[in-house]
Amino acid sequence: EDQVTQSPEALRLQEGESSSLNCSYTVSGLRGLFWYRQDPGKGPEFLFTLYSAGEEKEKERLKATLTKKESFLHITAPKPEDSATYLCAVQAKQGGSEKLVFGKGTKLTVNP
Amino acid sequence: DAGVTQSPTHLIKTRGQQVTLRCSPKSGHDTVSWYQQALGQGPQFIFQYYEEEERQRGNFPDRFSGHQFPNYSSELNVNALLLGDSALYLCASSLEIGDFYNEQFFGPGTRLTVL
Repeated sequence: EDQVTQSPEALRLQEGESSSLNCSYTVSGLRGLFWYRQDPGKGPEFLFTLYSAGEEKEKERLKATLTKKESFLHITAPKPEDSATYLCAVQAKQGGSEKLVFGKGTKLTVNP
Repeated sequence: DAGVTQSPTHLIKTRGQQVTLRCSPKSGHDTVSWYQQALGQGPQFIFQYYEEEERQRGNFPDRFSGHQFPNYSSELNVNALLLGDSALYLCASSLEIGDFYNEQFFGPGTRLTVL
């Protein structure tokens, strides 16, 4: 069964203090790994898609990387507005599988 | 360009009642997926609609049903509501382009409270 585990569950940073969030996964053939940002009471906002090991993508202070077993979301010099829950999801290659399997998320708080 | 829209925003129902949630996909998208997100959890896949048919279903009972209309909009129906059905219900849309994956974009969700 496809599974996604995110760590830590919660992370508190000071403004400017860089860190990384982890997403480890088990899936029968990875079709794609996705990072979303979710603010309280709102729908997830798409950030990145990664398809193969070694791939990296960047957007402002965020950089996502992918290996065969896990993905990291690196946050460089975070600001208070980066505070949110970050969700990781995988989609399997198995025939006809369209669903995203999500982790529970990492709640990030950035203090000024 | 309008993104994914959902209605209503909030809904309060009592146990045993039935509810219908609505979703309009992002312009140009033809596939709609529904997810349930309990407090403090990640979204869980309910089902996906493409070409007005249910294409895949997650581990949810038959009380959960859906429909997709010719204009690609979709409804989620839940019968015989239980307290445990209280959650944020998310709709996501995407474009089907063969074997290539296209990102799922989420709406703001409908917060359902069952008393």
